[in-house]
Amino acid sequence: RKEVEQDPGPFNVPEGATVAFNCTYSNSASQSFFWYRQDCRKEPKLLMSVYSSGNEDGRFTAQLNRASQYISLLIRDSKLSDSATYLCVVAMDSSYKLIFGSGTRLLVRP
Amino acid sequence: DAGVIQSPRHEVTEMGQEVTLRCKPISGHDYLFWYRQTMMRGLELLIYFNNNVPIDDSGMPEDRFSAKMPNASFSTLKIQPSEPRDSAVYFCASSPRGLRGRHTYNEQFFGPGTRLTVL
Repeated sequence: RKEVEQDPGPFNVPEGATVAFNCTYSNSASQSFFWYRQDCRKEPKLLMSVYSSGNEDGRFTAQLNRASQYISLLIRDSKLSDSATYLCVVAMDSSYKLIFGSGTRLLVRP
Repeated sequence: DAGVIQSPRHEVTEMGQEVTLRCKPISGHDYLFWYRQTMMRGLELLIYFNNNVPIDDSGMPEDRFSAKMPNASFSTLKIQPSEPRDSAVYFCASSPRGLRGRHTYNEQFFGPGTRLTVL
């Protein structure tokens, strides 16, 4: 079983739609959680961290459920520029070692 | 400000040749990471350094791979001899020292990657 699992998609949605991605992780000792974004043929970039209380950054909302070992990302009012691959990332301990999921691809159409 | 710099951006080589990938981290960052990304396996951590010292190399596939960080501003990843299955995008990333209280204390900043093709 992979340490971090994501639905690969693609999710194909119209502009303005709301879309949600889910991610599960296998190690209950995981301490830090993130969403990274990767554009086609580019490097990954941090989108947002995920906190136990849930957090919001503009149109993006991230949630963490430790009991179910589940992370989510909600994107409201999708823009064409949101088209990318979204990587769920988990840090297993206080080290700097990150475990990346395979990514969920989002396509936002006009 | 310059981000993480990698060279070359593209490398095409023949099986059996030595390949050296180079990375210059962001100035002041204490951590440096080497990753490999393929369609089949996604993004995998190969090795990471703290203050130029290798901390975890458990992701290095085999003895053909080696990495060095002779100083705070330079690192290399070498493959010798290269094989077709080594074809991938290799990313270097760096991270600043962070405090536990900072939310993004272990944010990693990635370079543009080196696309390696081994024929």
